[in-house]
Amino acid sequence: AQSVAQPEDQVNVAEGNPLTVKCTYSVSGNPYLFWYVQYPNRGLQFLLKYITGDNLVKGSYGFEAEFNKSQTSFHLKKPSALVSDSALYFCAVKDTNAGKSTFGDGTTLTVKP
Amino acid sequence: EAGVTQFPSHSVIEKGQTVTLRCDPISGHDNLYWYRRVMGKEIKFLLHFVKESKQDESGMPNNRFLAERTGGTYSTLKVQPAELEDSGVYFCASSPNRDTQYFGPGTRLTVL
Repeated sequence: AQSVAQPEDQVNVAEGNPLTVKCTYSVSGNPYLFWYVQYPNRGLQFLLKYITGDNLVKGSYGFEAEFNKSQTSFHLKKPSALVSDSALYFCAVKDTNAGKSTFGDGTTLTVKP
Repeated sequence: EAGVTQFPSHSVIEKGQTVTLRCDPISGHDNLYWYRRVMGKEIKFLLHFVKESKQDESGMPNNRFLAERTGGTYSTLKVQPAELEDSGVYFCASSPNRDTQYFGPGTRLTVL
């Protein structure tokens, strides 16, 4: 079985400050890890993924995430937040042999000017 | 390249009625997935097609839900008869392999 936990329903940061959105996972095999973002009235948009290789993954819009195998975490980060980053963020995991992804509950990020 | 498209964007129906949702995947993507998000909770897997075959339908909640992908192109998800608890946002995603899934904008279903 695979599962994802996003422990924070909401994250609030000031514009220009660094942001972190947390994600921990559980999977039986080697994980594929993903972050998606959903802007208001829009669909899910792929941000970045970890499959193998470098633990620090860089994605769209200046976001990055660090895969930590010992802590089973894949936190999303950005050095300097923008107001336009305000959205709903989902972490997802899949076993390498599985087709389906398992998602967390989502974290609402609010960046205030 | 066109992304995943879904139709309709919104649907409001009464309990007991039938609704059919449509998903057009990215051209050439053999893998097609249906997910739904109910009441602001997590996005839950419904089923996975590889071409026209159902690879995994373990997430389908009950036999009121029927998914098809005739010809391995677009897919439909029919809910018959709809119940109140079926309200939510239904997402479709496609993928050329078992790697990144590309999502459509979703269909918001409201059952009254």
